[in-house]
Amino acid sequence: SQQGEEDPQALSIQEGENATMNCSYKTSINNLQWYRQNSGRGLVHLILIRSNEREKHSGRLRVTLDTSKKSSSLLITASRAADTASYFCATDDDKIIFGKGTRLHILP
Amino acid sequence: KAGVTQTPRYLIKTRGQQVTLSCSPISGHRSVSWYQQTPGQGLQFLFEYFSETQRNKGNFPGRFSGRQFSNSRSEMNVSTLELGDSALYLCASSPTPIKETQYFGPGTRLLVL
Repeated sequence: SQQGEEDPQALSIQEGENATMNCSYKTSINNLQWYRQNSGRGLVHLILIRSNEREKHSGRLRVTLDTSKKSSSLLITASRAADTASYFCATDDDKIIFGKGTRLHILP
Repeated sequence: KAGVTQTPRYLIKTRGQQVTLSCSPISGHRSVSWYQQTPGQGLQFLFEYFSETQRNKGNFPGRFSGRQFSNSRSEMNVSTLELGDSALYLCASSPTPIKETQYFGPGTRLLVL
Protein backbone atom coordinates (compact mmCIF):
# COMPACT_ATOMS: atom_id res chain seq x y z
CA SER A 1 0.00 0.00 0.00
CA GLN A 2 1.09 3.59 -0.53
CA GLN A 3 2.98 5.11 2.36
CA GLY A 4 2.46 8.71 1.28
CA GLU A 5 -0.93 10.13 0.34
CA GLU A 6 -1.04 13.55 -1.26
CA ASP A 7 -3.94 15.91 -0.92
CA PRO A 8 -5.57 17.35 -2.94
CA GLN A 9 -5.43 15.01 -5.93
CA ALA A 10 -5.69 17.98 -8.28
CA LEU A 11 -5.31 21.72 -7.86
CA SER A 12 -5.83 24.60 -10.29
CA ILE A 13 -4.73 28.10 -9.37
CA GLN A 14 -4.04 31.38 -11.12
CA GLU A 15 -0.48 32.29 -12.00
CA GLY A 16 1.07 34.28 -9.20
CA GLU A 17 -0.96 32.62 -6.45
CA ASN A 18 0.50 30.26 -3.88
CA ALA A 19 -0.07 26.51 -4.11
CA THR A 20 -0.17 24.24 -1.10
CA MET A 21 -0.09 20.46 -1.25
CA ASN A 22 -0.24 18.08 1.65
CA CYS A 23 1.13 14.63 2.28
CA SER A 24 0.21 12.17 4.99
CA TYR A 25 2.13 9.02 5.78
CA LYS A 26 1.69 6.03 8.03
CA THR A 27 4.89 4.90 9.69
CA SER A 28 7.90 6.58 11.25
CA ILE A 29 10.38 8.04 8.79
CA ASN A 30 13.98 9.20 8.60
CA ASN A 31 13.20 11.75 5.93
CA LEU A 32 10.50 12.87 3.52
CA GLN A 33 11.12 14.05 0.00
CA TRP A 34 9.13 15.94 -2.58
CA TYR A 35 9.48 15.32 -6.29
CA ARG A 36 8.02 16.97 -9.37
CA GLN A 37 7.04 15.20 -12.57
CA ASN A 38 6.26 16.99 -15.78
CA SER A 39 3.79 15.20 -17.99
CA GLY A 40 4.91 11.63 -18.63
CA ARG A 41 8.54 12.25 -17.82
CA GLY A 42 10.95 11.29 -15.06
CA LEU A 43 10.76 12.71 -11.59
CA VAL A 44 12.90 15.59 -10.41
CA HIS A 45 13.93 15.83 -6.78
CA LEU A 46 12.81 19.10 -5.20
CA ILE A 47 13.61 18.98 -1.52
CA LEU A 48 14.34 16.61 1.35
CA ILE A 49 13.37 17.27 4.94
CA ARG A 50 14.68 15.12 7.75
CA SER A 51 12.58 13.85 10.62
CA ASN A 52 14.27 16.23 13.07
CA GLU A 53 13.52 19.28 10.92
CA ARG A 54 10.24 21.18 11.00
CA GLU A 55 10.63 23.52 8.04
CA LYS A 56 12.87 23.88 5.05
CA HIS A 57 13.11 26.40 2.23
CA SER A 58 14.47 26.21 -1.28
CA GLY A 59 13.81 29.16 -3.54
CA ARG A 60 10.03 29.48 -3.90
CA LEU A 61 9.48 26.17 -2.13
CA ARG A 62 8.68 25.80 1.54
CA VAL A 63 8.26 22.39 3.10
CA THR A 64 7.00 21.68 6.59
CA LEU A 65 7.01 18.41 8.48
CA ASP A 66 4.90 17.46 11.47
CA THR A 67 6.00 14.04 12.65
CA SER A 68 3.38 13.98 15.41
CA LYS A 69 0.65 14.22 12.78
CA LYS A 70 2.65 12.23 10.21
CA SER A 71 2.12 14.94 7.65
CA SER A 72 4.04 17.32 5.44
CA SER A 73 3.10 20.24 3.26
CA LEU A 74 4.71 21.75 0.19
CA LEU A 75 4.09 25.41 -0.51
CA ILE A 76 5.00 26.92 -3.87
CA THR A 77 4.89 30.70 -3.72
CA ALA A 78 4.25 33.04 -6.65
CA SER A 79 3.35 30.18 -8.97
CA ARG A 80 4.40 30.19 -12.62
CA ALA A 81 3.14 28.34 -15.66
CA ALA A 82 6.24 26.17 -15.52
CA ASP A 83 5.12 24.86 -12.13
CA THR A 84 2.34 22.92 -13.87
CA ALA A 85 3.24 19.32 -13.03
CA SER A 86 2.46 16.47 -10.67
CA TYR A 87 4.01 16.60 -7.25
CA PHE A 88 4.81 13.53 -5.17
CA CYS A 89 5.93 13.01 -1.64
CA ALA A 90 8.12 10.05 -0.86
CA THR A 91 9.06 8.52 2.45
CA ASP A 92 11.77 6.05 3.37
CA ASP A 93 10.56 2.81 4.85
CA ASP A 94 13.60 0.72 3.94
CA LYS A 95 12.60 1.62 0.41
CA ILE A 96 11.25 4.82 -0.98
CA ILE A 97 7.47 4.81 -1.16
CA PHE A 98 5.68 7.39 -3.28
CA GLY A 99 2.17 8.72 -2.97
CA LYS A 100 -0.13 9.07 -5.96
CA GLY A 101 0.64 12.73 -6.38
CA THR A 102 -1.08 16.08 -6.67
CA ARG A 103 -1.67 17.37 -10.19
CA LEU A 104 -1.05 21.10 -10.14
CA HIS A 105 -2.29 23.26 -13.01
CA ILE A 106 -1.33 26.91 -13.17
CA LEU A 107 -3.82 29.00 -15.10
CA PRO A 108 -2.52 31.99 -17.10
CA LYS B 1 27.82 14.20 -15.53
CA ALA B 2 25.38 12.54 -17.83
CA GLY B 3 22.01 11.78 -16.29
CA VAL B 4 20.22 8.49 -15.98
CA THR B 5 19.47 7.01 -19.37
CA GLN B 6 16.83 4.47 -20.22
CA THR B 7 16.39 2.50 -23.40
CA PRO B 8 14.24 2.11 -25.28
CA ARG B 9 12.04 5.14 -24.66
CA TYR B 10 8.95 3.61 -26.22
CA LEU B 11 7.97 0.03 -26.80
CA ILE B 12 4.93 -1.76 -28.16
CA LYS B 13 4.51 -5.45 -27.42
CA THR B 14 1.70 -7.97 -27.59
CA ARG B 15 0.31 -10.11 -24.80
CA GLY B 16 2.43 -13.11 -24.00
CA GLN B 17 5.69 -11.60 -25.23
CA GLN B 18 8.55 -10.66 -22.99
CA VAL B 19 10.43 -7.38 -22.77
CA THR B 20 13.78 -6.19 -21.43
CA LEU B 21 14.33 -2.60 -20.41
CA SER B 22 17.73 -1.08 -19.76
CA CYS B 23 18.92 1.62 -17.39
CA SER B 24 22.33 3.26 -17.16
CA PRO B 25 22.79 5.14 -13.87
CA ILE B 26 24.73 8.30 -13.29
CA SER B 27 28.45 7.56 -13.25
CA GLY B 28 29.51 6.52 -9.77
CA HIS B 29 26.01 5.61 -8.63
CA ARG B 30 25.76 2.04 -7.44
CA SER B 31 22.09 1.86 -6.53
CA VAL B 32 19.44 1.45 -9.20
CA SER B 33 15.73 1.26 -8.50
CA TRP B 34 12.84 0.53 -10.80
CA TYR B 35 9.30 1.84 -10.57
CA GLN B 36 6.11 1.20 -12.50
CA GLN B 37 3.80 4.15 -13.00
CA THR B 38 0.19 3.76 -14.10
CA PRO B 39 -2.73 6.19 -13.85
CA GLY B 40 -4.60 3.86 -11.52
CA GLN B 41 -1.87 2.70 -9.15
CA GLY B 42 0.52 5.61 -9.28
CA LEU B 43 4.23 5.03 -8.74
CA GLN B 44 4.94 1.57 -7.45
CA PHE B 45 8.31 0.29 -6.37
CA LEU B 46 9.51 -2.75 -8.28
CA PHE B 47 12.99 -3.47 -6.95
CA GLU B 48 16.30 -1.97 -5.97
CA TYR B 49 19.76 -3.22 -6.82
CA PHE B 50 22.96 -2.21 -5.13
CA SER B 51 26.36 -3.60 -6.08
CA GLU B 52 24.75 -6.32 -8.23
CA THR B 53 22.54 -7.53 -5.36
CA GLN B 54 18.80 -7.09 -5.06
CA ARG B 55 18.21 -5.20 -1.82
CA ASN B 56 14.48 -4.80 -1.91
CA LYS B 57 11.56 -6.00 -3.93
CA GLY B 58 8.08 -4.60 -4.28
CA ASN B 59 4.84 -6.51 -4.44
CA PHE B 60 4.96 -7.65 -8.06
CA PRO B 61 4.60 -11.15 -9.52
CA GLY B 62 7.60 -13.23 -10.45
CA ARG B 63 7.13 -12.25 -14.10
CA PHE B 64 8.99 -9.08 -13.17
CA SER B 65 12.68 -9.59 -12.65
CA GLY B 66 15.83 -7.59 -12.83
CA ARG B 67 19.55 -7.66 -12.54
CA GLN B 68 22.48 -5.33 -12.18
CA PHE B 69 25.83 -5.63 -13.84
CA SER B 70 29.28 -4.89 -12.47
CA ASN B 71 29.24 -1.46 -14.15
CA SER B 72 25.98 -0.70 -12.26
CA ARG B 73 23.86 -0.78 -15.40
CA SER B 74 20.59 -2.53 -14.75
CA GLU B 75 18.01 -4.38 -16.77
CA MET B 76 14.49 -5.37 -15.91
CA ASN B 77 12.59 -8.09 -17.64
CA VAL B 78 8.89 -8.74 -17.83
CA SER B 79 7.84 -12.12 -19.15
CA THR B 80 4.44 -13.21 -20.43
CA LEU B 81 3.22 -9.66 -20.83
CA GLU B 82 -0.32 -8.77 -19.83
CA LEU B 83 -2.40 -5.78 -20.89
CA GLY B 84 -2.09 -4.42 -17.36
CA ASP B 85 1.68 -4.19 -17.72
CA SER B 86 1.23 -1.15 -19.96
CA ALA B 87 2.89 1.61 -18.01
CA LEU B 88 5.73 4.05 -17.73
CA TYR B 89 8.73 2.26 -16.24
CA LEU B 90 11.08 4.56 -14.42
CA CYS B 91 14.60 3.88 -13.33
CA ALA B 92 16.35 5.91 -10.64
CA SER B 93 19.90 5.89 -9.40
CA SER B 94 21.61 7.06 -6.24
CA PRO B 95 25.16 6.81 -4.92
CA THR B 96 24.23 4.55 -2.02
CA PRO B 97 21.26 2.34 -1.12
CA ILE B 98 18.20 4.50 -1.46
CA LYS B 99 17.24 6.51 1.53
CA GLU B 100 17.62 9.97 0.16
CA THR B 101 17.76 11.70 -3.19
CA GLN B 102 17.21 9.60 -6.26
CA TYR B 103 17.87 10.73 -9.81
CA PHE B 104 15.33 9.55 -12.32
CA GLY B 105 15.62 8.69 -15.96
CA PRO B 106 13.02 9.77 -18.53
CA GLY B 107 11.31 6.39 -18.45
CA THR B 108 10.33 3.71 -20.91
CA ARG B 109 6.71 3.78 -21.99
CA LEU B 110 5.50 0.25 -22.62
CA LEU B 111 2.26 -0.46 -24.41
CA VAL B 112 0.97 -4.02 -24.41
CA LEU B 113 -1.63 -4.81 -27.05
